[in-house]
Amino acid sequence: DTEVTQTPKHLVMGMTNKKSLKCEQHMGHRAMYWYKQKAKKPPELMFVYSYEKLSINESVPSRFSPECPNSSLLNLHLHALQPEDSALYLCASSQETEIYGYTFGSGTRLTVV
Amino acid sequence: AQSVTQLDSHVSVSEGTPVLLRCNYSSSYSPSLFWYVQHPNKGLQLLLKYTSAATLVKGINGFEAEFKKSETSFHLTKPSAHMSDAAEYFCVVSDRVDYKLSFGAGTTVTVRA
Repeated sequence: DTEVTQTPKHLVMGMTNKKSLKCEQHMGHRAMYWYKQKAKKPPELMFVYSYEKLSINESVPSRFSPECPNSSLLNLHLHALQPEDSALYLCASSQETEIYGYTFGSGTRLTVV
Repeated sequence: AQSVTQLDSHVSVSEGTPVLLRCNYSSSYSPSLFWYVQHPNKGLQLLLKYTSAATLVKGINGFEAEFKKSETSFHLTKPSAHMSDAAEYFCVVSDRVDYKLSFGAGTTVTVRA
């Protein structure tokens, strides 16, 4: 299995809702990432997990809450989002070091209404 | 510190003609360099990577790139463009110090029939 699987592919949520994005990989990668991508822009790093521990938080608002339950799973919990949070959310994974490149999932297209 | 400059925001080519996407980088350390492609509403797919082995790197779908340290460049080429090459391309650098990648702004490729 050489893929990163993200669910759901599309999500529409109201500003008072609570929802979660899920990411799964079975490549034995020990680093996992959340990126946010706005239209016509490159991805922006949000969080990095290394060996299931949060190692980097790029000053992301607390309405985004990451969780890494095990080495294969990464969640992003969403609460009280704003319309400007609408974007493509990408999950990625890599081996302990990035030298081999990241594997990206196909993303979750989030719309906040 | 590391950064990437993609010199062209948009490249338009005719089907069957060569494609050249230009990328310059800046890195304090010996970098790893990557080219990713993103088709509309899709995740990022790794085309090729340079990790201090051969300076001419061959990737998928007929793409290749040459690492030139003296010019701090990592340009992407393909001898004959196909309609399916129409996409957004990102040049990415990592200085291997942490888990962060630096993305270029992206180059949009359109292919004319």
